[in-house]
Amino acid sequence: NAGVTQTPKFQVLKTGQSMTLQCAQDMNHNSMYWYRQDPGMGLRLIYYSASEGTTDKGEVPNGYNVSRLNKREFSLRLESAAPSQTSVYFCASSARDRYEQYFGPGTRLTVT
Amino acid sequence: GNSVTQMEGPVTLSEEAFLTINCTYTATGYPSLFWYVQYPGEGLQLLLKATKADDKGSNKGFEATYRKETTSFHLEKGSVQVSDSAVYFCALNRMNYGGSQGNLIFGKGTKLSVKP
Repeated sequence: NAGVTQTPKFQVLKTGQSMTLQCAQDMNHNSMYWYRQDPGMGLRLIYYSASEGTTDKGEVPNGYNVSRLNKREFSLRLESAAPSQTSVYFCASSARDRYEQYFGPGTRLTVT
Repeated sequence: GNSVTQMEGPVTLSEEAFLTINCTYTATGYPSLFWYVQYPGEGLQLLLKATKADDKGSNKGFEATYRKETTSFHLEKGSVQVSDSAVYFCALNRMNYGGSQGNLIFGKGTKLSVKP
């Protein structure tokens, strides 16, 4: 039981490049989330998916898109990376009718 | 709206010292409250939770009590160890957020450093 896994662990992009961050969970959770973590800002929700087939914007969705591929997988795409998107990205999941979320190990992204 | 306020860090303690990290919240309804811990280079891990007033969550020697009258959920530990050095986040769930019950609102985190 791996919990929540994320790939890659580290990534360096040039401004304007695109990439997709992958997330998968093996806990049969319904809801999945993408956060970014910046110094002094805590965690900010980018997008979430309450259930397979649905996605909704969070607090800071601009510059990102998501896909809930199936119940297990929830990807985050940066179409044209900007230096302001340099951050640590965390994926999380939670079960139906449970509030606590379980987090992956994070992806450290640098955009130059 | 709902929000969480944590004491600002960093907090530096000597081993075996008593720890308190303050957390207060504003919320409509009766949210569940959580403490998460983030060790260096890792993701957040759920440390403890409380789901209703006067509940006490506890884990690994840490405790926090859900105080509705003071809207607080302070984290305490009687004797900290070097291995407790981490960032601690207080959180509450946001009710009725886009139909999802799982969205959490996090405080900005408090960094704890424990010196031997």
